[in-house]
Amino acid sequence: AQSVAQPEDQVNVAEGNPLTVKCTYSVSGNPYLFWYVQYPNRGLQFLLKYITGDNLVKGSYGFEAEFNKSQTSFHLKKPSALVSDSALYFCAVRAPTRGYQLTFGKGTKLSVIP
Amino acid sequence: NAGVTQTPKFQVLKTGQSMTLQCAQDMNHEYMSWYRQDPGMGLRLIHYSVGAGITDQGEVPNGYNVSRSTTEDFPLRLLSAAPSQTSVYFCASSRSRQGTNEKLFFGSGTQLSVL
Repeated sequence: AQSVAQPEDQVNVAEGNPLTVKCTYSVSGNPYLFWYVQYPNRGLQFLLKYITGDNLVKGSYGFEAEFNKSQTSFHLKKPSALVSDSALYFCAVRAPTRGYQLTFGKGTKLSVIP
Repeated sequence: NAGVTQTPKFQVLKTGQSMTLQCAQDMNHEYMSWYRQDPGMGLRLIHYSVGAGITDQGEVPNGYNVSRSTTEDFPLRLLSAAPSQTSVYFCASSRSRQGTNEKLFFGSGTQLSVL
């Protein structure tokens, strides 16, 4: 079975500081990995994905994520946090053999403090 | 461009009542899906469809029915609502039949309470 773990329920960071939201996964085979963001009372919005290729993936709003196969991790990063980045962030994974089943993590609430 | 439209935004039901959550997309997407979001549990897939006339179960299908008679619409039916179905429901669509290779476009959600 495939699974995703987001070990931190909440991450607090000061505006202008770098931020990291952690994600680890478990799948059979090479994973397809995604990050989504949810602002209050809104649906999820796609940030970035890793399918194959470079381990560092760049996405929307200045976010990037690093795929680490040996550590089975896909951490979301941003060099300088903005107050507007405050939201709920979800990591998601699917195995190549499970084409239609995307498994989401429980989410991490990011608060950027002015 | 409306994207993915869900109605209603809020709904309160009594145990045993039935209702249909509506989802429509205007992007000609082949893949559509329904998720429920519960606190501390992330999103869980209920049902999905890879095209008109084709549906399949996700992780938590019990108590829900779906149909896909057109490319645009993918309604979710609760036949006999239970308090355990209190949740926020999201419809999502994607361009390709592979669904999860491509990014998902989400609706704004339906908050359902079953008393």
